[in-house]
Amino acid sequence: GENVEQHPSTLSVQEGDSAVIKCTYSDSASNYFPWYKQELGKGPQLIIDIRSNVGEKKDQRIAVTLNKTAKHFSLHITETQPEDSAVYFCAASIGGTYKYIFGTGTRLKVLA
Amino acid sequence: DADVTQTPRNRITKTGKRIMLECSQTKGHDRMYWYRQDPGLGLQLIYYSFDVKDINKGEISDGYSVSRQAQAKFSLSLESAIPNQTALYFCATSDPYGTSEYEQFFGPGTRLTVL
Repeated sequence: GENVEQHPSTLSVQEGDSAVIKCTYSDSASNYFPWYKQELGKGPQLIIDIRSNVGEKKDQRIAVTLNKTAKHFSLHITETQPEDSAVYFCAASIGGTYKYIFGTGTRLKVLA
Repeated sequence: DADVTQTPRNRITKTGKRIMLECSQTKGHDRMYWYRQDPGLGLQLIYYSFDVKDINKGEISDGYSVSRQAQAKFSLSLESAIPNQTALYFCATSDPYGTSEYEQFFGPGTRLTVL
């Protein structure tokens, strides 16, 4: 079945450094790739997404890149801040549907 | 997201008990989802509903049932709870006709413990 692998499972960075989280997916028909941020005690919240017809998307300090040939996509956070500390999930749509397969999550710690 | 509420927020129950988790939304979205989150496993889709009359099984529906009482309400039931159903449960909504057709909006979660 469809699968999304996410690495690393934990990531610690110094404040101001960059953080990169990587995901690979198996369904070649996937066409939508969101990233969700989950803060302690809250539900996941969308922070950025990318469609399959785009290679890169940026929103302030956050960017996502997509390599459809290799079936992998990555989240890049620059100039990290303590409030970036959270669990981040990648996901891939199941084909062209509105359902996702989620990755297993990355716990990001930004050290002050 | 305050527009999606879940009750209860925490629940401890015993093996064999029937339990219902409720989800309400004021976003006016037709599509609603139930997910389960386990440490190290991400979120897994249990059931989803694209409108009041349309309910579908997700990846891990065994042991669960759902009811879509209205556009705004989607309940998840465990008919006979077992310890391996101990997890964090999330409800979500989406609107395919909105500005972000694929985005899902999550509730705050219900932490369920089955003893």
